[in-house]
Amino acid sequence: GESVGLHLPTLSVQEGDNSIINCAYSNSASDYFIWYKQESGKGPQFIIDIRSNMDKRQGQRVTVLLNKTVKHLSLQIAATQPGDSAVYFCAESWGGSQGNLIFGKGTKLSVKP
Amino acid sequence: ETGVTQSPTHLIKTRGQQVTLRCSSQSGHNTVSWYQQALGQGPQFIFQYYREEENGRGNFPPRFSGLQFPNYSSELNVNALELDDSALYLCASSGTLGGLDTQYFGPGTRLTVL
Repeated sequence: GESVGLHLPTLSVQEGDNSIINCAYSNSASDYFIWYKQESGKGPQFIIDIRSNMDKRQGQRVTVLLNKTVKHLSLQIAATQPGDSAVYFCAESWGGSQGNLIFGKGTKLSVKP
Repeated sequence: ETGVTQSPTHLIKTRGQQVTLRCSSQSGHNTVSWYQQALGQGPQFIFQYYREEENGRGNFPPRFSGLQFPNYSSELNVNALELDDSALYLCASSGTLGGLDTQYFGPGTRLTVL
């Protein structure tokens, strides 16, 4: 079936460096994509989202890039901080932001001080 | 904080029992979605409720059922618990169906089935 996958299960970066977390999706009908951060023992926390009519969206220290040609999504975190250490999930939906979110398995980001 | 609350925080049940989990949506949100997250996995969609009606269901058996109340809070019921039902159960609330609001998650209920 359709699924969202991640290229790297773990990512270790130095504090202050930029982080890039990649995600592949397989459903060309998906019209909405979202990144969540999940810390141990907590629920997923919204980071940033993007709709299929956009290629790039920026937030505070984060940028999401969408490449529909190769069905690829990435999350860039600028000046990574120890507080950014968590598991990051991308998810897709073909029902807009309210639709059934299909999640990947996650990437664990570790930030070394 | 998202304003989405869930209870209880943790729960231990034995195989064959029934369980009810509760979720209070963020103020102003009328849509609640439930997800199951097994250890080390991403969340999986169970079902969604909009204005007290089920509005979509994932690949879960009928022993997973739900309710949404007039105040938009919601319950997830699981009958005949199995060991594989052990997971973190998450609810997410969002605004008007068809609107542009994203889904905001609560802290989850950790269910352990022995």
